[in-house]
Amino acid sequence: DIQMTQSPSSLSASVGDRVTITCRASQSISNYLNWYQQKPGKAPKLLIYAASSLQNGVPSRFSGSGSGTDITLTISSLQPEDFATYYCQQSYNTPRTFGQGTKVEIK
Amino acid sequence: EVQLVESGGGLVQPGRSLRLSCAASGFTFDDYAMHWVRQAPGKGLEWVSGISWNSGSIGYADSVKGRFTISRDNAKSSLYLQMDTLRAEDTALYYCAKDSGLYYDSGGPTYYFDYWGQGTLVTVSS
Repeated sequence: DIQMTQSPSSLSASVGDRVTITCRASQSISNYLNWYQQKPGKAPKLLIYAASSLQNGVPSRFSGSGSGTDITLTISSLQPEDFATYYCQQSYNTPRTFGQGTKVEIK
Repeated sequence: EVQLVESGGGLVQPGRSLRLSCAASGFTFDDYAMHWVRQAPGKGLEWVSGISWNSGSIGYADSVKGRFTISRDNAKSSLYLQMDTLRAEDTALYYCAKDSGLYYDSGGPTYYFDYWGQGTLVTVSS
């Protein structure tokens, strides 16, 4: 199975900050990488697929980049509604493994 | 509007069985693969099982292989998970998720879980 490791596991940031989360795969996965946002008590929500394609309705302050083993999620200007846990998931093969999550907290 | 509504969770003793259901609406159910994903309390997401559009291919996480059985009824737009020989470590919120493609094991940049239900809680305890 492909192992997905996110860094950091948690971070504290202020509204307006630029935030970057990295997902590292145990082997090259090209751009076969999805990002999900999960708020407390809610189901995960798809943000980005194919490493950089925004799902419909997702604000443009979210962006993704990278290919191979290291792929990043960037929030250009953190908003109050962005405080949540973010998960990456590889779609290179089955099982489509998830990273352990990155919790974005208010500073 | 796509809706996925899970049911069937509850408190069950170790070694017993439980059957989860997921009722789908708002999309053509038999055009997509479906999955079960679980989340233990305070933990991350774990893929449990997937099934292709026509039930022709099915897969399981190693942690549940031989104990869980996934199935679907396209006529009823429903997904199921039969969970046998339950263990304490199966305690989790179980989500039903819609795939973007036909086959649960497709690999590529455009395969993702685009809709999720709200989950049903399974607690395994004596």
